[in-house]
Amino acid sequence: DAKTTQPTSMDCAEGRAANLPCNHSTISGNEYVYWYRQIHSQGPQYIIHGLKNNETNEMASLIITEDRKSSTLILPHATLRDTAVYYCIVGGSGNTPLVFGKGTRLSVIA
Amino acid sequence: DAGVIQSPRHEVTEMGQEVTLRCKPISGHNSLFWYRQTMMRGLELLIYFNNNVPIDDSGMPEDRFSAKMPNASFSTLKIQPSEPRDSAVYFCASTLWGDTQYFGPGTRLTVL
Repeated sequence: DAKTTQPTSMDCAEGRAANLPCNHSTISGNEYVYWYRQIHSQGPQYIIHGLKNNETNEMASLIITEDRKSSTLILPHATLRDTAVYYCIVGGSGNTPLVFGKGTRLSVIA
Repeated sequence: DAGVIQSPRHEVTEMGQEVTLRCKPISGHNSLFWYRQTMMRGLELLIYFNNNVPIDDSGMPEDRFSAKMPNASFSTLKIQPSEPRDSAVYFCASTLWGDTQYFGPGTRLTVL
């Protein structure tokens, strides 16, 4: 079973920041937080991951709380192409399977 | 880099027929995963390999499903005989030890 809890759906206005929350209260000390997204009919796409510190790359920022029990994925300037299902996943290193929950369906609205 | 390659992209078959799905991982990757996605169950792991060796096949639904990885650049997922409830999108993903997983475009299987 997935070890994360996410809202079922969210809306965001185009050009605004999209903040997607995730709860992972049972995360272990050596487990990472991964974010993937799936655009309709495509394979899941890696976005970002982190262990303790906040992370930023060209796609998004990941903010992890100090107690590591929750995190937020931030898309700084959402576009229509960011409309997708976003999955927050807790797990070990990349060569172990990902356990997907239901994710958050983000709709970016013009 | 071509990414993870899966074939066919779409497969329509009749119940009872054998179906073979193929995956070519990214060159140099040493782990390969097969996932299945349905509306009811979402994305779920079927089996994964490390260095061509099956590590966990507990997600394989039943004996009708089998997977092989004869070398580092090729894997197959076979269903024999196929049933309508096997209709789903099947994804293959690969990774280099400790890195993130990269997914293929998937094979949409329809069993009539």
